[in-house]
Amino acid sequence: GAVVSQHPSWVICKSGTSVKIECRSLDFQATTMFWYRQFPKQSLMLMATSNEGSKATYEQGVEKDKFLINHASLTLSTLTVTSAHPEDSSFYICSASGPYNEQFFGPGTRLTVL
Amino acid sequence: AQSVTQPDIHITVSEGASLELRCNYSYGATPYLFWYVQSPGQGLQLLLKYFSGDTLVQGIKGFEAEFKRSQSSFNLRKPSVHWSDAAEYFCAVGVPSNAGKSTFGDGTTLTVKP
Repeated sequence: GAVVSQHPSWVICKSGTSVKIECRSLDFQATTMFWYRQFPKQSLMLMATSNEGSKATYEQGVEKDKFLINHASLTLSTLTVTSAHPEDSSFYICSASGPYNEQFFGPGTRLTVL
Repeated sequence: AQSVTQPDIHITVSEGASLELRCNYSYGATPYLFWYVQSPGQGLQLLLKYFSGDTLVQGIKGFEAEFKRSQSSFNLRKPSVHWSDAAEYFCAVGVPSNAGKSTFGDGTTLTVKP
């Protein structure tokens, strides 16, 4: 149980375009989901907390107008990188929170912006 | 605010040898504690968690961890390492009042020698 999927697993886009990443909890309902960014050889950087039916809570320094998060249902959260630029290239990982704050992670999405 | 320290950036062990990865946390009360493993290019997988009760917890893949309140530690152990255990390991601390968020350590890279 506790499976989280992400789609796509990798994406290449041109600078200036927008990219949407989906995060789904496949076998449980996730009231809270998290979006992380990970740079090579580094730890996870929390970007935002996504709560079903309400606005996302962004961490300090994360541009909410650039990284749009929508949590429309208990099984789906989406992250849209708007007007992507090469510096947005990274590994994006989502997770869904369990009853004891444990997190169930998706496999990640590798974004490359040309 | 809580924090997590993983003192060892990189550890190398021989296959079949025992393993211990260190984790120290800072928090005023007993937190929730987790160990996650990340294989290259993948999301994170929960190895084990502690939230109360027995201080020695068993996880998947033959791992165990011991919560030592007096030392503010939650070290991960495995009696005999397999080559497939080579990965990045993250310790994390969660706080019940923190909206499900966890704070992650910087990670320890495990290399397994044949």
